[in-house]
Amino acid sequence: NAGVTQTPKFRVLKTGQSMTLLCAQDMNHEYMYWYRQDPGMGLRLIHYSVGEGTTAKGEVPDGYNVSRLKKQNFLLGLESAAPSQTSVYFCASSWGETGELFFGEGSRLTVL
Amino acid sequence: GNSVTQMEGPVTLSEEAFLTINCTYTATGYPSLFWYVQYPGEGLQLLLKATKADDKGSNKGFEATYRKETTSFHLEKGSVQVSDSAVYFCALTPTGANSKLTFGKGITLSVRP
Repeated sequence: NAGVTQTPKFRVLKTGQSMTLLCAQDMNHEYMYWYRQDPGMGLRLIHYSVGEGTTAKGEVPDGYNVSRLKKQNFLLGLESAAPSQTSVYFCASSWGETGELFFGEGSRLTVL
Repeated sequence: GNSVTQMEGPVTLSEEAFLTINCTYTATGYPSLFWYVQYPGEGLQLLLKATKADDKGSNKGFEATYRKETTSFHLEKGSVQVSDSAVYFCALTPTGANSKLTFGKGITLSVRP
């Protein structure tokens, strides 16, 4: 029962460093999403994908890039990390346009 | 645009107390409405949903009714347990566009034994 798996779960970066968060889902879902969760802000959509090879911008895409080369994987990249990107990042997936998302356990990123 | 407003938190209750968490929304058309729950250290999971006016979603003793006249989707439970301690998010998605699910800010519920 893997569901949605995120790696790594914790990471500390210095300003300017780059990193990639990996999301993998084993439910054969078409749609995948990356959210960030900040205190008092709820969840905000960074980027999403409606199928293999597609990506689209969400509410807060600046400073992030994504790729969906395989249906089961959705990568979130930070090319030059900034302290404002300190957050908890959640990946989610869904099979269709139902609003019923399955979430990973989150990745806590700290940028010093 | 679409938005979801949740009551301010946190909320602390004693076990077996009645719970109401308010949620109101702004949206065009007829959105679908959701409650998600996040237990400590975990990702969000869907608690219940309603897709049209007057629908009642229910799960694990929680209920919420889609009220279009008041644009509300309040979450209720008659008797909370310590295990219900979590963060609760109200959310909506416009018809046919789940890729833009809009969340409220969330509210933390703590239940004391």
